[in-house]
Amino acid sequence: DAKTTQPNSMESNEEEPVHLPCNHSTISGTDYIHWYRQLPSQGPEYVIHGLTSNVNNRMASLAIAEDRKSSTLILHRATLRDAAVYYCILRDRGRDDKIIFGKGTRLHILP
Amino acid sequence: EAGVAQSPRYKIIEKRQSVAFWCNPISGHATLYWYQQILGQGPKLLIQFQNNGVVDDSQLPKDRFSAERLKGVDSTLKIQPAKLEDSAVYLCASSPTGTSEQYFGPGTRLTVT
Repeated sequence: DAKTTQPNSMESNEEEPVHLPCNHSTISGTDYIHWYRQLPSQGPEYVIHGLTSNVNNRMASLAIAEDRKSSTLILHRATLRDAAVYYCILRDRGRDDKIIFGKGTRLHILP
Repeated sequence: EAGVAQSPRYKIIEKRQSVAFWCNPISGHATLYWYQQILGQGPKLLIQFQNNGVVDDSQLPKDRFSAERLKGVDSTLKIQPAKLEDSAVYLCASSPTGTSEQYFGPGTRLTVT
């Protein structure tokens, strides 16, 4: 299975942008890049996903490198409610379509 | 729209006892998943159902864990007998056909003493 590498933890100040990196050097051509996050004492929630082009939605933006070996989840203006564990996941829709979670990045927001 | 419902939210049992968890997915979602999340780790897929058929149960410890999804709607996950290492949060998720998103329930926190 293609794997991702994320920092264990990051800190950011409230109301500032946050850039969460993810490396996936063994990504295949059919792997989609997905991001989920898990707030304390809750189940994970979907954030965003993309294949090649950058993507935006109401929660975040996803910037994908041209060679697709890395990506960055961008929270444009972090709030205290964004403190969570963020998971970067590769998912092959053409194969078994599994979601395999790593340990993710624990994001701390400083007031 | 109601989310994925799970019960109970918390359960404490002694080792070698049995326990069952219940999940009610979002209405109309064909695919249902059970995950196990040990403290400090990401969720691990135990079993995936498509309607009432099993798609993937390769990570399910079948000597003690079982799951069923009757009529393609609700699902139960059972552990019999429980071991100390089964202490974890058990998450249920569902997704509609043809989409990438999985919707997770709040989980059941199991403590085995």
